[in-house]
Amino acid sequence: QKEVEQNSGPLSVPEGAIASLNCTYSDRGSQSFFWYRQYSGKSPELIMFIYSNGDKEDGRFTAQLNKASQYVSLLIRDSQPSDSATYLCAGGRDTGRRALTFGSGTRLQVQP
Amino acid sequence: SAVISQKPSRDICQRGTSLTIQCQVDSQVTMMFWYRQQPGQSLTLIATANQGSEATYESGFVIDKFPISRPNLTFSTLTVSNMSPEDSSIYLCSVEDGELFFGEGSRLTVL
Repeated sequence: QKEVEQNSGPLSVPEGAIASLNCTYSDRGSQSFFWYRQYSGKSPELIMFIYSNGDKEDGRFTAQLNKASQYVSLLIRDSQPSDSATYLCAGGRDTGRRALTFGSGTRLQVQP
Repeated sequence: SAVISQKPSRDICQRGTSLTIQCQVDSQVTMMFWYRQQPGQSLTLIATANQGSEATYESGFVIDKFPISRPNLTFSTLTVSNMSPEDSSIYLCSVEDGELFFGEGSRLTVL
């Protein structure tokens, strides 16, 4: 059983729309969660991290965490074609990044 | 932010051979990790490279297959030994420097 699960997609949204990416995790010991963006052929880059229940906003991105439901999401407002990439959800057992468990990623396509 | 250089960036290898991947960081970092990303898959942690001591391997990965060196706080190597086509993958070095940064990866194809 995978510890971090994501829908592989592709998730297709029109330009300007809100893209909603979801992730569930099975390890209740996970304390910290991260969203990485990975363009094809490139290495992952960190978009956001979240430790506490609730929402965390950074520009066009909002991360949401619900520890009771073991659910993490990433909302991208005003989606742009440049947002087209694979988004990886990752969980860690402490608030340091340390060794993370990654989901398989959701491919997002933003249609111009 | 840490700048990570990996080499080779890509290589084509013959079955049964071994290849060493180098990871150089532009600053001293305590935590360095090696991940594998198989085609179409996500990242799987291979091991934590510990400076001055043996690497800590994750379940399913062993030192004989993936020996790791960490001679100092800015450098590490990962060797993929006795390669088979199943080892065809992208191998990523990562460091924790406030955030978790990744190198550009080394794409290995084993024939």
